[in-house]
Parts: sequence; C-alpha cells; structure tokens
Amino acid sequence: DGGITQSPKYLFRKEGQNVTLSCEQNLNHDAMYWYRQDPGQGLRLIYYSQIVNDFQKGDIAEGYSVSREKKESFPLTVTSAQKNPTAFYLCASSPGQGASYEQYFGPGTRLTVT
Amino acid sequence: GENVEQHPSTLSVQEGDSAVIKCTYSDSASNYFPWYKQELGKGPQLIIDIRSNVGEKKDQRIAVTLNKTAKHFSLHITETQPEDSAVYFCAASKGRGGKSTFGDGTTLTVKP
Repeated sequence: DGGITQSPKYLFRKEGQNVTLSCEQNLNHDAMYWYRQDPGQGLRLIYYSQIVNDFQKGDIAEGYSVSREKKESFPLTVTSAQKNPTAFYLCASSPGQGASYEQYFGPGTRLTVT
Repeated sequence: GENVEQHPSTLSVQEGDSAVIKCTYSDSASNYFPWYKQELGKGPQLIIDIRSNVGEKKDQRIAVTLNKTAKHFSLHITETQPEDSAVYFCAASKGRGGKSTFGDGTTLTVKP
C-alpha cells in the first residue's frame, strides 16, 4: 500500500518535555510538509522540505524543529519552547516535480500536553 | 506573504440543494488552487483542483471556478448528499513542492 503514515494517532506529554512526531511516506515524493490545526481553524504551515537535507520554516516554526535525512521520513520535534503545543498535527507530501501539484495528507497525530 | 480568505465559515443546506464556498487570495503569483475535504479526526483529502491557466473545472457534482483578475475562486457542489457533510478547505500555492496557504475552512452540513 502506498501512502503517508503518522504515528502515533494520539500522544500525551507533560509540559516541559520534547516530543517527536513521526511521518513516513512511500510515494517517492520529494516534498514534505508539517501543518498544525487548531479547533475550528485552518491548517498552518510549520516547516516544509522540498528535497533531502534541506528544509524551510513555514509561518509558525517557533518552538518546532525538523530533519530530513531520508526522502521517506520527515520527523517533527515539538520542543518545550512551544508555548501552546496541544493541537492536531498533519504531515503531507507532494511529488515536487512532474505534472502533479497535489499534496497527500497523513491521518494526523493529536498531541495533548498537560 | 499569501493570504487566503474563505467564506462562509458554516453552511447548512437541504439535501439536493447546491452549495457554494468562496475564497480570495492576495498573491497574484499563486498558480495552483486545490480544494480539500476533511472528515472528523482525519487528514484532508483533495477533491478538486485548478491551475491558473484554466477558468473552470468540473468533476461530476463538483466544480471549481477561478477568476484570476479578481483573485478569487469558488467551489460548487450540486445535488448535495448527507455524505457531503464535512469541513472544506481552499488553498493557494506557487509551483510544485512549494508552500501552500490554506483558508480557515467551511463546515458544510447537508440536512436529509
């Protein structure tokens, strides 16, 4: 099966702890993205990567970090510096070349920090 | 940067009626405009998209129109069904692999 996987679906952490969210894709896509979604709001871009070993900040990168060491993987770390980390986190990927511009989304991880 | 505004935020229609959701964007360089449907607790799924060299695109009961001069685009759903009930997002982006800016979403409810 081809697609994007995010794990875990639900994640609970204590305040002050860093936490890493997993995102893996087997679609051979070059570009990958992380979004944050708060209740009743749209998707806000945290970080994106158009190629391995390179990534750019999105609109709300403060308190987050990423790495892109492999084409298939784009993990997101929510650090203790993120003031309001509880949210629904979505990972997406896109071919980055060729005819398709479409972004394919994973099922999301709901992070709760108390 | 790009700014996308989406209206209305909620929309309730009777089964069989049409639904229209509108978005405006600010960056004239944006050239790709997708629409996503998100069901509760799931990731968004693309339902239709349009590129800046096309004015209208249709796929069965769903259509999208684009007015580049006015910088707005709209989603049209005809003959709505209860399973169309979901949150719909528009987005605007530039080029392949580039960043997308999303609207705040429209919660569509189709009443049987």
